Order: sequence, then C-alpha cells, then structure tokens
Amino acid sequence: EAGVTQFPSHSVIEKGQTVTLRCDPISGHDNLYWYRRVMGKEIKFLLHFVKESKQDESGMPNNRFLAERTGGTYSTLKVQPAELEDSGVYFCASSQEGRESRNTEAFFGQGTRLTVV
Amino acid sequence: RKEVEQDPGPFNVPEGATVAFNCTYSNSASQSFFWYRQDCRKEPKLLMSVYSSGNEDGRFTAQLNRASQYISLLIRDSKLSDSATYLCVGETDSWGKLQFGAGTQVVVTP
Repeated sequence: EAGVTQFPSHSVIEKGQTVTLRCDPISGHDNLYWYRRVMGKEIKFLLHFVKESKQDESGMPNNRFLAERTGGTYSTLKVQPAELEDSGVYFCASSQEGRESRNTEAFFGQGTRLTVV
Repeated sequence: RKEVEQDPGPFNVPEGATVAFNCTYSNSASQSFFWYRQDCRKEPKLLMSVYSSGNEDGRFTAQLNRASQYISLLIRDSKLSDSATYLCVGETDSWGKLQFGAGTQVVVTP
C-alpha cells in the first residue's frame, strides 16, 4: 500500500515567488494534516482537513498560505509570495478516522524541503 | 515556554546499554501521548502510544505521569539501529491534532 506522498521533495525559490506543495494521503484517509518544521524548532501544526473541509486552520502563519483539498483527495499548500522565514520542511500526514480518532495512527509523508533565498 | 519540552541530547549510548529520557508537557488537557522516531532527513514515524499508566513494546517502555505531566521512554539493550531523534508528541484535541517536542537525539555506539 502506498504511503503518504509529497511533491516536490525539495524546492528552492526566490523571495516573492510562489510555490505549491502537494500531498497525496493514503487512500481512504479522511484526515489530512499539514505541519511545518523550521530550522532549529519543533514540528508545528498548520491545518487539518476532514475530507474536503478545513476542520482547523489555527496554525496557518498568515494569509500568504493557502491550503486546498478539492474533492477530499489530495491537498495543495500554496505560499504566495514566499518570504525567507517560510523556509523549512513541510510535512503532510493522514489518518483514517474522523472524530474520536485517538487510536488512529497518523502517517507522515517524507516532507517537502522548502528553501526561500 | 514550549508546550512540550525535551532534552535535545545527544544521549550517547553504548550498544547493549539502557537509555531513558523524559519530556514534560504543559497542556493538561492533552489526552493522548506518543513517541515518534525520526531518522535524519526522514519523516516522523510512530514508535509507540502512551495512553494511561504506560506502555511496553519489546525493548521500549513508555511511562506517563499525569500528576507531574511528564512522559518517559526507556530503551533496553540498545541497538545501533536505535540511533535516531525521538519526538515526544501530545494529541491536543479529539481530531488528532499533534503537538511536538523538538526531539531527543540518541546515538548508539558500537
């Protein structure tokens, strides 16, 4: 079974440009999460989709970040315009259950390493 | 103050020895806790869950102390392959939102 896949694995862009990250969750997983790790810091929550709906976007840094999950399958995270502080590793995770999902493991993708120069 | 605090290490452990380390959490509403393992430049992977009084899985034992708000992980008979960063993680809501510590690095040496 395919795991969570993320594309691209690496991206180097100039400040002010736009980048779109993609996440394909495990098939059948309703929950999809985006997390980010900036250098030297812990992994931090960005947002959570249940199917195509945003359940929680409290971790989104600002309005330069836009996440979508059309059709409840794959998700995209767009950064426009990118700033230097957006550099980091962006992880996507998915899990199977909805509410009361305490016992459901979240599987992570290998991440997209974003460098803004 | 960070929500989940961990000693960054590194903990240098001879092969075959036992190593233990803790994390503390400040969000008393967190219900579930986990240890994730992350290898260099890889994704975090669930090592084990810690739900109530503790959990054991082979050479790994995790303990939760709600009164003192800390979680521990003990690794017995360390293997070279145990070298990794161990992330202490709390689940902060019923939707599976996770809060990570910065990780404890363990280096097992021959």
